[in-house]
Amino acid sequence: QVQLQESGPGLVKPSQTLSLTCTVSGGSISSGGYYWSWIRQHPGKGLEWIGYIYYSGYTYYNPSLKSRVTISVDTPKNQFSLKLSSVTAADTAVYYCARCPSVDAFDIWGQGTMVTVSS
Amino acid sequence: QTVVTQEPSFSVSPGGTVTLTCGLSSGSVSTSHYPSWYQQTPGQAPRTLIYSTNTRSSGVPDRFSGSILGNKAALTITGAQADDESDYYCVLYMGSGIVIFGGGTKLTVL
Repeated sequence: QVQLQESGPGLVKPSQTLSLTCTVSGGSISSGGYYWSWIRQHPGKGLEWIGYIYYSGYTYYNPSLKSRVTISVDTPKNQFSLKLSSVTAADTAVYYCARCPSVDAFDIWGQGTMVTVSS
Repeated sequence: QTVVTQEPSFSVSPGGTVTLTCGLSSGSVSTSHYPSWYQQTPGQAPRTLIYSTNTRSSGVPDRFSGSILGNKAALTITGAQADDESDYYCVLYMGSGIVIFGGGTKLTVL
């Protein structure tokens, strides 16, 4: 079955760019039919949608983060990535990647990766 | 700015029935918002329960059901079990590719 796994640095310095990758196994991003998303969860808080991408590269972003977010896809590697620029302590969170059968829901989630922004 | 509202907390007795709701700070929720519901236990990734208002995700028991009740989306759990004690989040589609998570409901089974 399809599985998603996040990877990337667990510690990022303030003002730098947070970069995470989600590797998809058991299915191909390029086969289409799904969007691929990033969601985060601040410590002890609720979930926040960051954005998603279609295999063709078309993206949708949370308006509150849009100026700092870039989501890209690497179909040969079967991965998609998140870049969040100019990070502050407020970006400290668990970051999840997820598969979306449509733009309105998530069906398969990665286990999540904790990213701390600190000097 | 649109806010998706959920009860902060709720409790249910084992074997009982509970309905959690998902509303909008302005306006009514309809099937056009394609409400979906997710269950999360501490330290774990969310698990998808319901999408498109009332479609259960694969493997989700029929104790979980989704609907529209009045002007809100609703998640009903019947025959509550101890391991239903979790945080529950709804998501609403706002159009133009934008989705918003609700703040979550902490469900206690006692």
